[in-house]
Amino acid sequence: AQSVTQLDSQVPVFEEAPVELRCNYSSSVSVYLFWYVQYPNQGLQLLLKYLSGSTLVKGINGFEAEFNKSQTSFHLRKPSVHISDTAEYFCAAKKAGTALIFGKGTTLSVSS
Amino acid sequence: GAVVSQHPSWVICKSGTSVKIECRSLDFQATTMFWYRQFPKQSLMLMATSNEGSKATYEQGVEKDKFLINHASLTLSTLTVTSAHPEDSSFYICSAIRGGENQPQHFGDGTRLSIL
Repeated sequence: AQSVTQLDSQVPVFEEAPVELRCNYSSSVSVYLFWYVQYPNQGLQLLLKYLSGSTLVKGINGFEAEFNKSQTSFHLRKPSVHISDTAEYFCAAKKAGTALIFGKGTTLSVSS
Repeated sequence: GAVVSQHPSWVICKSGTSVKIECRSLDFQATTMFWYRQFPKQSLMLMATSNEGSKATYEQGVEKDKFLINHASLTLSTLTVTSAHPEDSSFYICSAIRGGENQPQHFGDGTRLSIL
């Protein structure tokens, strides 16, 4: 069965520091990979997605992620975070024709 | 484009009542809609997948008689929580696909259901 593992449940960082949120997936077939952000009491906002092509994907708000097939990873990065980036981040994967399966989420806390 | 509207955003009701949540795709026809449930501080768990005009496919462990899903048109799916109890309190989020396997899922803003 397909699964998504987010290795860190909480990531505290200082403002303007770089951050990496880790995500690994398991699947025996090709998958599409996504990162979503969720602010308190709100729905999900798509940050970026990997469907095919270049393994480095750039998204909104200065985030990027790199698809690494050999390590089955899709880590999310940002070179300099802001207080406003404080939120819950979800990595998700899907196979063609199926629903998104989400990881357990990583809480990013940015402090000054 | 690709807006999904969910209504209501927040509902509080007494134990034993039934609650209906609507999910609409406002500017596209959604061939498939999904319903997720999210407990506080936890991830989204897929409850069911619905295709327009056919019965929903429920994930293992989800009671289909408890969570009734109707996808009567290409722009509307409803989730009815029947005889709701406090343990049904949760955040419910719908999602829709425009069509085609590579199309992203678009999410509604969620419905917070509180059963007293």
